Amino acid sequence: EIVLTQSPGTLSLSPGERATLSCRASQSLPSNYLAWFQQRPGQAPRLLIYYASRRATGIPDRFSGSGSGTDFTLTITRLEPEDFVVYYCQQYDSSPWTFGQGTKLEI
Amino acid sequence: QVQLQESGPGLVRPSETLSLRCSVSGVSISLSSYYWVWIRQPPGKGLEWIGSIYYSGRTSYNPSLESRVTISMDTSNNQLSLNLASMTAADTAVYHCARVVDGYILIPFDHWGRGTLVTVSS
Repeated sequence: EIVLTQSPGTLSLSPGERATLSCRASQSLPSNYLAWFQQRPGQAPRLLIYYASRRATGIPDRFSGSGSGTDFTLTITRLEPEDFVVYYCQQYDSSPWTFGQGTKLEI
Repeated sequence: QVQLQESGPGLVRPSETLSLRCSVSGVSISLSSYYWVWIRQPPGKGLEWIGSIYYSGRTSYNPSLESRVTISMDTSNNQLSLNLASMTAADTAVYHCARVVDGYILIPFDHWGRGTLVTVSS
């Protein structure tokens, strides 16, 4: 099973700043099947990024993904108040599909 | 517009079997372009993939749950089902169904149901 480790656990920033969230896989993802999700309280997760760097439909270009192999990054530029929620990375390169433990973005 | 909605009991007794249904609208679950998954999230914790079912009916399960889980599909009603046997308190979670797009690139979980909270308690 591939373990995903997200860092930091909590990231404290202010609106307008840039956020950099990290996700490290315990094994290489040869197909770069790595996704990022945003989850607001009481809601289902929302797909932001898939295939490491492709934005999902309707996701603003403030959100971008990068990385390959074992190290992946979600970058959010010009933080908006509604961005201060929890983010998960997820790998679907190898079964069982697994999620990271989450990064909480707080003001 | 694609929509998924889970339904089932909110309370299950220990050792019983959980049965949940996911009603899908806006797209046929029989299309080869998609497959369907169940994911759960214990209160205040992270996400866990339970398993997947393909348009052909083939299934794939998380090894941690494989001995207890069955996922099936009812194409005539455009519904998915999840059965999880021998429930314990550790299975208390919000259970979601979601879609995977199976194209030249896989797109995971692009649509989700809102989820249904299942509590295991006597």
